[in-house]
Amino acid sequence: NAGVTQTPKFQVLKTGQSMTLQCAQDMNHNSMYWYRQDPGMGLRLIYYSASEGTTDKGEVPNGYNVSRLNKREFSLRLESAAPSQTSVYFCASSGGGPTDTQYFGPGTRLTVL
Amino acid sequence: QKEVEQNSGPLSVPEGAIASLNCTYSDRGSQSFFWYRQYSGKSPELIMSIYSNGDKEDGRFTAQLNKASQYVSLLIRDSQPSDSATYLCAAHKAAGNKLTFGGGTRVLVKP
Repeated sequence: NAGVTQTPKFQVLKTGQSMTLQCAQDMNHNSMYWYRQDPGMGLRLIYYSASEGTTDKGEVPNGYNVSRLNKREFSLRLESAAPSQTSVYFCASSGGGPTDTQYFGPGTRLTVL
Repeated sequence: QKEVEQNSGPLSVPEGAIASLNCTYSDRGSQSFFWYRQYSGKSPELIMSIYSNGDKEDGRFTAQLNKASQYVSLLIRDSQPSDSATYLCAAHKAAGNKLTFGGGTRVLVKP
């Protein structure tokens, strides 16, 4: 039981390049989330998927797109990376209810030069 | 004003003492609250969740919720060096079924 997995763990991009961050969970959770974490800023929600087939914008969606591929997988795409997108990205999943715990993946550390 | 506010710290406490962390939230519709611990370079992990006014205890940790004052706190008793980490407070928003996180409080426990 791996929980929430993310790939890659580290990535360096040049400005304007694109990439996709992958996330998968094996807990049969309905809801999945993408956050970014910058120093002193806590976790900020980029996009989330309350259930398979739905996606919604979070607090900081600009410059990102997401795909809920199936119940297990939720990917985050940067179409044209910018230095402001240098951050640590966390994927999380939960049952989706108000008292359900969100479980986090190990994170992807992204640097955009 | 941020929806969930925490003092960034660092909160420095001697080993064996009580660490007291505070969190305030602005959305009165928030019903569920969570405390996560995050070690440097690692992902957040849940310590406590609380949904009702009052205290909830789990081992050395006690969460306190006061919905009238829109205030959540976390007490760490008998603090250990291994408790040195950043503690994130999160409030569940019914609209959209998502969490809003505070900026985190860094705790340093000194031997």
